[in-house]
Amino acid sequence: AQSVTQLGSHVSVSEGALVLLRCNYSSSVPPYLFWYVQYPNQGLQLLLKYTSAATLVKGINGFEAEFKKSETSFHLTKPSAHMSDAAEYFCAVSDGNQAGTALIFGKGTTLSVSS
Amino acid sequence: SQTIHQWPATLVQPVGSPLSLECTVEGTSNPNLYWYRQAAGRGLQLLFYSVGIGQISSEVPQNLSASRPQDRQFILSSKKLLLSDSGFYLCAWSSGGWGRELFFGEGSRLTVL
Repeated sequence: AQSVTQLGSHVSVSEGALVLLRCNYSSSVPPYLFWYVQYPNQGLQLLLKYTSAATLVKGINGFEAEFKKSETSFHLTKPSAHMSDAAEYFCAVSDGNQAGTALIFGKGTTLSVSS
Repeated sequence: SQTIHQWPATLVQPVGSPLSLECTVEGTSNPNLYWYRQAAGRGLQLLFYSVGIGQISSEVPQNLSASRPQDRQFILSSKKLLLSDSGFYLCAWSSGGWGRELFFGEGSRLTVL
């Protein structure tokens, strides 16, 4: 069965610093992987998705993620953090075993940005 | 463009009372629909999904139920709420097919007292 593990429930960075949020996946088939962002009391917004077209995926708000099959990883990065990046981030994998093709989510990483 | 609406946004209910959360999607037809529950530190738990009218699949045994009376309407219900039902409920839709992203509503926060 597919699953994702997000390493670190909380990450703190200074404004302007590199953001690195870690995600490792487990999948018996070539995975489709996603990163979502959630602001307080709101729904989830898609940041980017990997669909095997390219290993480096660029998303919205300056975020990107690199798919590394050898490491079973899909870490999210941003070169320079902004205060508005403070939010909760979720990594997800598409569950190809389900007819409904739901996404399976990690437990989330809360990003704090200090000035 | 497609939009998804959930209501109510906030709900405070006593233990043992009924529940009805509604979700509608506009701008698309025959979407896959999903209900997730989010609890602090536990990520998102898939509760139900539906690939068509009247077709509901349950992922977690509980006292909740779901219905899809119309193509773009998805309802989450309970006859008697438990304290453990408190949480943030999210409705989502996708166009179906493996690897398609989900689009989420704004969520409904339920507090059971």
